[in-house]
Amino acid sequence: QVHLQESGPGLVKPSETLSLTCTVSGGSIKTYYWSWVRQPPGKGLEWIGYIYYSGDTDTDYNPSLKGRATMSVDRSKNQFSLKLTSVTAADTALYFCARGPLPPQSFDFWGQGKLVTVSS
Amino acid sequence: ETVLTQSPGTLSLSPGERATLFCRASQIVGTNFLAWYQQKPGQAPRLLIYGASSRATGIPDRFSGSGSGTDFSLTISRLEPEDFAVYFCQQYGRSPVTFGQGTRLDIK
Repeated sequence: QVHLQESGPGLVKPSETLSLTCTVSGGSIKTYYWSWVRQPPGKGLEWIGYIYYSGDTDTDYNPSLKGRATMSVDRSKNQFSLKLTSVTAADTALYFCARGPLPPQSFDFWGQGKLVTVSS
Repeated sequence: ETVLTQSPGTLSLSPGERATLFCRASQIVGTNFLAWYQQKPGQAPRLLIYGASSRATGIPDRFSGSGSGTDFSLTISRLEPEDFAVYFCQQYGRSPVTFGQGTRLDIK
């Protein structure tokens, strides 16, 4: 069974960079797309972006983030990461990592989520 | 982007009843790349349906999805106590991937 676990700071100051890592266990990172999705407290889900296991050149990001998001992969550690720059209070959310999109199956495995609060 | 509008916002039903949730897309969802997720408080979303009508691994057959183009639905044939949760639809046929705002299924 594939297991995903998010890690990183739970508190980030405004204007700084949010950094999260997702560690994949129970399966290889190879041949899949990997995504980040966030959910502000009490609100809905927003897709941040995806990266293919092969690396940084096969990525796609949500335009709503206005170029602030960057994802990377470390195949040797079975991990992928997210950096979100110039954060504001509006970036406070539960951040999930997930496997997919994997047409036709979409996002089939998810991490438990990491709450990140943006506050001084 | 493809906007997904779910209805109703809240559905109040009793265990044993049938639930039907709707999801309308602002443009055609290519190859029916439409998924449904269930989310309970403090948990990650759980994939129920993909490709509009295929059940994900381990999902009970009381859950079924249908629809095509811009109109989709999720039916739970006979509600169990553990089915009361929030349900999201998602399209992954066009970038950016988008989610509906959710339908809350409450116990009546």
